[in-house]
Amino acid sequence: EVVLTQSPGTLSLSPGERATLSCRASHNFGSSYLAWYQQKPGQAPRLLIYDASSRATGIPDRFSGTGSGTDFTLSISRLEPEDFAVYYCQHYGSSRTFGQGTRVEIK
Amino acid sequence: EVQMLESGGGLVQPGGSLRLSCEASGFTFSNYAVTWVRQAPGKGLDWVSTISGSGENTYYADSVKGRFTISRDNSKNTLYLQMTNLGAEDTARYFCAKLSNSWVVHDAFDLWGQGTTVTVSS
Repeated sequence: EVVLTQSPGTLSLSPGERATLSCRASHNFGSSYLAWYQQKPGQAPRLLIYDASSRATGIPDRFSGTGSGTDFTLSISRLEPEDFAVYYCQHYGSSRTFGQGTRVEIK
Repeated sequence: EVQMLESGGGLVQPGGSLRLSCEASGFTFSNYAVTWVRQAPGKGLDWVSTISGSGENTYYADSVKGRFTISRDNSKNTLYLQMTNLGAEDTARYFCAKLSNSWVVHDAFDLWGQGTTVTVSS
């Protein structure tokens, strides 16, 4: 089973700043089956990135995903007020596991 | 409108059973694998189970294997989750979701319902 560890647990930033979120896999799962989701309080998650670096439909280009092997990153180039939320990475191979989440909060 | 709508949540005693439903609309349901994901209060996302478009292939998290059964009725565009021998650890909001691409069982989840809450308590 692939275990995903996200860091940091909480990121305190101001609107307009760049956010960099990390997702590390317990081992190289040999594919790009890595997604990122955004979740706001009381809402369902929303798909942002799939296949490690492809933006989902309707996702602004300030969101970008990079990485391969065991290290993956979600970047938000300039934080908008609506971007403050919790972000999860997910491996959707055999284990379909989620990371524990990173909260992006307003500083 | 493309959407997923869960129902069937509620309060159940430890050891009890419950069946969740998820009605899909706005897309060809039978072409897509669908999945259940849960979220305990204040916690992160936890994948539960996935079923292929035809219903022939099912996949479960170890934590629910042998207790939960996923199924679907493509004639009714509906996904189900039969849950038995429930424990406090199953208390969560349960979301159904659709996989992004047709005819695959390994894919990101691009359409989510709003969830239904299951509380296991005496």
